Amino acid sequence: DAGITQSPRHKVTETGTPVTLRCHQTENHRYMYWYRQDPGHGLRLIHYSYGVKDTDKGEVSDGYSVSRSKTEDFLLTLESATSSQTSVYFCAISAQSEGTDTQYFGPGTRLTVL
Amino acid sequence: DQQVKQNSPSLSVQEGRISILNCDYTNSMFDYFLWYKKYPAEGPTFLISISSIKDKNEDGRFTVFLNKSAKHLSLHIVPSQPGDSAVYFCAAPSYGKLTFGQGTILTVHP
Repeated sequence: DAGITQSPRHKVTETGTPVTLRCHQTENHRYMYWYRQDPGHGLRLIHYSYGVKDTDKGEVSDGYSVSRSKTEDFLLTLESATSSQTSVYFCAISAQSEGTDTQYFGPGTRLTVL
Repeated sequence: DQQVKQNSPSLSVQEGRISILNCDYTNSMFDYFLWYKKYPAEGPTFLISISSIKDKNEDGRFTVFLNKSAKHLSLHIVPSQPGDSAVYFCAAPSYGKLTFGQGTILTVHP
C-alpha cells in the first residue's frame, strides 16, 4: 500500500464553519491531488499540487483552497463550509514516473456539513 | 462535458461468470487508460491499465480491451468472484490529471 494517510477520517460540521483536511504521504512523490466523490459523478478533481508551493485548480475548485508547504503534506481548506460540500474526499499521490500517471489514493475523509 | 463515460451505473453477475464493464471516451488525445476498483469506506485502488499502442492487456483474471476507433474500452473479469463486488472506475490521464468516469457498481452473487 502507498503510504498515504488522511485526517480526520470523519467529520461533521456546521454550515459557515472553516474546515481543513490533511493528506500526508511518506513516498516523497512530487504530485498530490484532492478529489471529491459523489454519487453519479465519480471522482472529480478539486485541486492538485506539482511541488512544494506549486498548486493549481481542478474541475470543481470553487469554495476550496489548498496549501503545500512540505513535500509530504497537502492541506484542503473549506473556508466556509456549505451543505453542497458534504462528500467523501480522497487524496492521491503520483510519482509521474515512467509516463504512467498512475495515482494512488488515501482512505478518504467523510465530511458532513449540516 | 463528460470526457470519460461509464453508462451502466450497475451490473449484476453470477459467481463464475464473466463480468464486462464498459467505458467510452470522447477525447481522441487520450493515449493511456486506467481502471480502479473501490470498496466501501476505502480509497480507490489501481487495478490495470492499457496504453493506446496496445488493444489488450491481461493481468490474471482481469483483461482490458481498447478499441480506439470506437473510443471504447472494456474490463473483463473471468471468472467473477464475490470478492470482486465493488465500484469500478475507468480513468484517462491528461497533463498529469486523471479524468474519471462515473463508476459502475459490480455485484457478484454466490
